[in-house]
Amino acid sequence: EIVMTQSPATLSVSPGERATLSCRASQSVSSNLAWYQQKPGQAPRLLIYGASTRATGIPARFSGSGSGTEFTLTISSLQSEDFAVYYCQQYNNWPRAFGGGTKVEIK
Amino acid sequence: QVQLVQSGAEVKKPGASVKVSCKASGYTFTSYGISWVRQAPGQGLEWMGWISAYNGNTNYAQKLQGRVTMTTDTSTSTAYMELRSLRSDDTAVYYCARDGRFVVVPAALDYWGQGTLVTVSS
Repeated sequence: EIVMTQSPATLSVSPGERATLSCRASQSVSSNLAWYQQKPGQAPRLLIYGASTRATGIPARFSGSGSGTEFTLTISSLQSEDFAVYYCQQYNNWPRAFGGGTKVEIK
Repeated sequence: QVQLVQSGAEVKKPGASVKVSCKASGYTFTSYGISWVRQAPGQGLEWMGWISAYNGNTNYAQKLQGRVTMTTDTSTSTAYMELRSLRSDDTAVYYCARDGRFVVVPAALDYWGQGTLVTVSS
């Protein structure tokens, strides 16, 4: 069973600054890695799939990189609507697994 | 547009069962699968299992094996998740999400239902 580890647990960032979130898999998941954004009281929303492909309608300030076991989500210039919790998920193997999440909060 | 609409909130006693529905629209139901994901209060996301709407194949999280059953009704484009022998730690918001239709083809969860709160309390 693959374990996904996200860091940091909380990231304090000022609006307009860059945010860099990390996700590590306990074994290779190739590029079968997705990132989701979740705001309070809402369902998660797919941001990135295939480690680096933005989902439909996702702004270009969101970018993903990595392969194998190390992945990064970068938000180039944080907007007010970007403060949320972000989860990575591997879908290379069964069972699917989510990371514990990174909360991006206003500094 | 793709929509997944889930059934309403439920309150159950320990030991009971719950069945949550997820009605799909805006796409060909049998061309995809459905994953179920739950989120306990204040906690992260937990993948529960997957069902192919194409052929009914399933894959469940080991910790839920024997207590969970996922099914689909292709005539109404609806997926169901039944969880039995409920415990207090099953209290969570349950989400359905569109997934791939074949077990060997990796897919992200691109559309999600609005969530169904299941509360287990005596």
